[in-house]
Amino acid sequence: DGGITQSPKYLFRKEGQNVTLSCEQNLNHDAMYWYRQDPGQGLRLIYYSQIVNDFQKGDIAEGYSVSREKKESFPLTVTSAQKNPTAFYLCASSIVRDSHEQYFGPGTRLTVT
Amino acid sequence: AQSVTQLGSHVSVSEGALVLLRCNYSSSVPPYLFWYVQYPNQGLQLLLKYTTGATLVKGINGFEAEFKKSETSFHLTKPSAHMSDAAEYFCAVSGTGSARQLTFGSGTQLTVLP
Repeated sequence: DGGITQSPKYLFRKEGQNVTLSCEQNLNHDAMYWYRQDPGQGLRLIYYSQIVNDFQKGDIAEGYSVSREKKESFPLTVTSAQKNPTAFYLCASSIVRDSHEQYFGPGTRLTVT
Repeated sequence: AQSVTQLGSHVSVSEGALVLLRCNYSSSVPPYLFWYVQYPNQGLQLLLKYTTGATLVKGINGFEAEFKKSETSFHLTKPSAHMSDAAEYFCAVSGTGSARQLTFGSGTQLTVLP
């Protein structure tokens, strides 16, 4: 079955540590996205990528980094510079130049203490 | 730039009653509009979308929405609520350019009372 996988489902880290969240898709979609979700704030765009080896900052990119070395993979690193990293992180993908309907993964809940 | 406003962060209805979740948008170009549903600790699932053509859009699970350009609205409705409809609902509008990023509203939590 085609879809988006995110791992792990739950992640716990100590403050000051970098952590990488995985996102893999087998939908053959060109574009991939990372969102952060906090209660009452909807989804906010962190980074997006339209093609391999290219990505752009979203609205809240500070303290995050990404790479896009393969079409199917778009890992997100939450660095120690992110001041409030505890959140629910969602990865999505879409076909560029379509209606831009985005397909979402199941999410990773990151807790930093 | 585009934005989305969802009126009512929490909505409660009785089982069998009408569900109405409100969404207003602003966009400098003809919009693409979406409604997504999210169950606890899960990703978002597309309910329905408006791109072009018929302004009344039918989606999954008996939901529908009507695009009203004059009112810049895209309200979500369902004639009869079911307990399984309890979830958070997000309205979204697409942006411009080849990336067509989505801008999401802040969400409406729907509670269905027995």
